[in-house]
Amino acid sequence: QQQVKQSPQSLIVQKGGISIINCAYENTAFDYFPWYQQFPGKGPALLIAIRPDVSEKKEGRFTISFNKSAKQFSLHIMDSQPGDSATYFCAPGGSNYKLTFGKGTLLTVNP
Amino acid sequence: DTGVSQDPRHKITKRGQNVTFRCDPISEHNRLYWYRQTLGQGPEFLTYFQNEAQLEKSRLLSDRFSAERPKGSFSTLEIQRTEQGDSAMYLCASSSSGNEQYFGPGTRLTVT
Repeated sequence: QQQVKQSPQSLIVQKGGISIINCAYENTAFDYFPWYQQFPGKGPALLIAIRPDVSEKKEGRFTISFNKSAKQFSLHIMDSQPGDSATYFCAPGGSNYKLTFGKGTLLTVNP
Repeated sequence: DTGVSQDPRHKITKRGQNVTFRCDPISEHNRLYWYRQTLGQGPEFLTYFQNEAQLEKSRLLSDRFSAERPKGSFSTLEIQRTEQGDSAMYLCASSSSGNEQYFGPGTRLTVT
């Protein structure tokens, strides 16, 4: 059973464009919804996270949109830059604190 | 550097050998987690400590795997009788009272 489904698997955008990555989950016990960014050979880095009591959170160029009824949340990267090229993971978690990672989305931002 | 540190960064071992990895969490973080990441996949949860108590273990953690956090500070992950399927990146993360987990750089294990 795949608890977390992330799409697309890969994404290519032009510099300055908007990157959108989606995450669908099944476990209604999840109450913490983060996105992680990972560069090759590095550990994942927490990018932005949201709780289910709000529908949107913005930090700089990064925005999370959350739809509790649809059990989905998404990451929007505005004004995408070549330095944003990385793999992005959604990783919802619950009261037991462990995170359940999606399979990742490889983002390439062309200059 | 006050982030999570892991040692070694890379380990190459022969099948059947034992290996041990170390993780030093962010100072004063009482929770520590181990994950495993294979190529092209997201990290998978292995186990979790709160202070020195191991509170949860994934079924991925076979009898050949053991983790400790003896004084509630650093943690070790040992793999006995390594198999080629154990080749992966082993990631450690730590957190304080919230859910925010901060990951270390990982230990890349290659079993030949």
